[in-house]
Order: sequence, then C-alpha cells, then structure tokens
Amino acid sequence: GALVYQYPRRTICKSGTSMRMECQAVGFQATSVAWYRQSPQKTFELIALSTVNSAIKYEQNFTQEKFPISHPNLSFSSMTVLNAYLEDRGLYLCGARAPGGDTEVFFGKGTRLTVV
Amino acid sequence: QQQVRQSPQSLTVWEGETAILNCSYENSAFDYFPWYQQFPGEGPALLIAIRSVSDKKEDGRFTIFFNKREKKLSLHITDSQPGDSATYFCAASSNYGNEKITFGAGTKLTIKP
Repeated sequence: GALVYQYPRRTICKSGTSMRMECQAVGFQATSVAWYRQSPQKTFELIALSTVNSAIKYEQNFTQEKFPISHPNLSFSSMTVLNAYLEDRGLYLCGARAPGGDTEVFFGKGTRLTVV
Repeated sequence: QQQVRQSPQSLTVWEGETAILNCSYENSAFDYFPWYQQFPGEGPALLIAIRSVSDKKEDGRFTIFFNKREKKLSLHITDSQPGDSATYFCAASSNYGNEKITFGAGTKLTIKP
C-alpha cells in the first residue's frame, strides 16, 4: 500500500537555530508534495506545494527563505525551518499525491517541532 | 478569511447514536470535498470524499450529504463507536483534488460508551 514516512517524528531545537525534516513516499511515486503546519488550536496551514519539474509554490506568509524545500525525485522531499522561533512550533505534515487526477493525498504522521 | 468552516467545534454522542458533523464553504470553484480523520499523535487519514456532481456518498457507517446550492455538506456517522473518537476535518479542493487542499478547523468527536 501507499505510505508516507516523515522523520524525525519529534524534534526540539533552540530558538534561532534551524531544523530539517524529511518526507518519504513508499509504494507510489509522489509527483506532488504539499507541506502543511498544524499549529496548536489551529487547522492545517498550507506552507507550499511542490510538484516535480515545476517551481515550488509558497502560500502567503510562508517564504522560501524561511522554509526551503527540496523535492529531488518522486519519492523524497525535505523542508528546513530556518531560524526557528516560538511561532514556528507545531506539527509539520507532508501530504503526497500520486500521478493522475482524482487521487488521494497520503499524509505522513508529521514532525512535531518544539522550539525552546 | 476562513474558506472552509466546520461546526460544532466539539461534539459528544453516546455509543450507537448518529453523529452529525457540519461543514460549509465559500469558494464556488471547490468541487472535491474529502473528510479526514485524525487521532492524537497521528497524521490525518482520508475517511471519505465526495465530488460536487454528487449529493450523497456512502461508505459503511459514514455518509456525506452535499448541498451545492447552499455550499454545505455534512458527515453522518451512524452507530457511533468509541473507536470513532477523533478529530474530523472537512476539506475542499478544486479541479477534483488536483489543486491544494483547504482544511476546516476540525470537529473533535467523542463517543461515550
């Protein structure tokens, strides 16, 4: 079956430092990967949508300078949170979609980021 | 501006009852509406989804009722089980899911045995 693995599952970083998280698609080819953040008491905020062979599209309030994303092949994507501060806390989710229309987005279990 | 709204924020029903979770949206371009179920510590998992060309989608104990004219939909969970206790997110997308998914704020459902 199709699975999405995210690692690390949990991480703690000092304020002002950076943290990289990874997303691995297993059992299918992820032509598009969306990174979301689920903050405490909030719903999912889309950070960016990455499609292989296309430019990564960032949502308002999120920038490449802050959240650089790499999507080098059909099974892997990574995102870094640069200069993390308290407001960056939350559960970062990776949602991957296989080629073709009308297909399910498979989510990983997320990387929970705590900033101290 | 919240494009997908859910109510209630939390809901408690007794085991065996029907839980009804509501959702509304603003963007007329939305044509694909997945519902996700999320347990604590887990990522969201697709539960059931409906396209705007349909007004009802059923999968076992889970049924989506969709009203395109009013831009409203609801998820009905019949014969609720304690294992159904989770947070349910209504989401919406256009181009039949090929565009980004916009999530609602979620409804936390608790089933009392």
